[in-house]
Amino acid sequence: GQQLNQSPQSMFIQEGEDVSMNCTSSSIFNTWLWYKQEPGEGPVLLIALYKAGELTSNGRLTAQFGITRKDSFLNISASIPSDVGIYFCAGPRRRVYGQNFVFGPGTRLSVLP
Amino acid sequence: NAGVTQTPKFRILKIGQSMTLQCTQDMNHNYMYWYRQDPGMGLKLIYYSVGAGITDKGEVPNGYNVSRSTTEDFPLRLELAAPSQTSVYFCASSYSLMRGARRNGYTFGSGTRLTVV
Repeated sequence: GQQLNQSPQSMFIQEGEDVSMNCTSSSIFNTWLWYKQEPGEGPVLLIALYKAGELTSNGRLTAQFGITRKDSFLNISASIPSDVGIYFCAGPRRRVYGQNFVFGPGTRLSVLP
Repeated sequence: NAGVTQTPKFRILKIGQSMTLQCTQDMNHNYMYWYRQDPGMGLKLIYYSVGAGITDKGEVPNGYNVSRSTTEDFPLRLELAAPSQTSVYFCASSYSLMRGARRNGYTFGSGTRLTVV
């Protein structure tokens, strides 16, 4: 079935550093979504991407839709402590379970002061 | 708009007890979902609903039941709670892909943290 892989699984960085993470799929997607889950909260949508090569920013966050349509990338510039959380990617899912999207396992980000 | 509201936020159950996790949304979404998230893990789909009166199993449905009598509400029932059901439960809702899920994705509630002892 459709599955998403995210790397790295977790990362520890110093405040002020830039962060890069990615998401890959065995299937071609026409949409990529990136979510952030802060501790004790539900995931919140950060960025949505709709075509190959698209680059979209949301503040210090920039996401890219890979040209193969099987991957996506999320970059965070000049990280700050409030960037801590789990970052999930999601893509449209064939109706195996009737739902619209499948989620990756997440990248857990820790920011050290 | 309140979005997706889950209650309670925390609960401790004894083995064998039952409870209902409440979820309501005010966005007129036709799709609703229940996920569980175990420590350090991603989201696993328990049950989903594509509209009032229609529900179906997800990846990990054993030990749970759901109902969808209205568009707004999608309660999750735990019968005979077991320690393996200790987890954080998230309810989410969305439009269908054709109606807007592709642009807006899912809206999640803030979760219910359940401990079974």
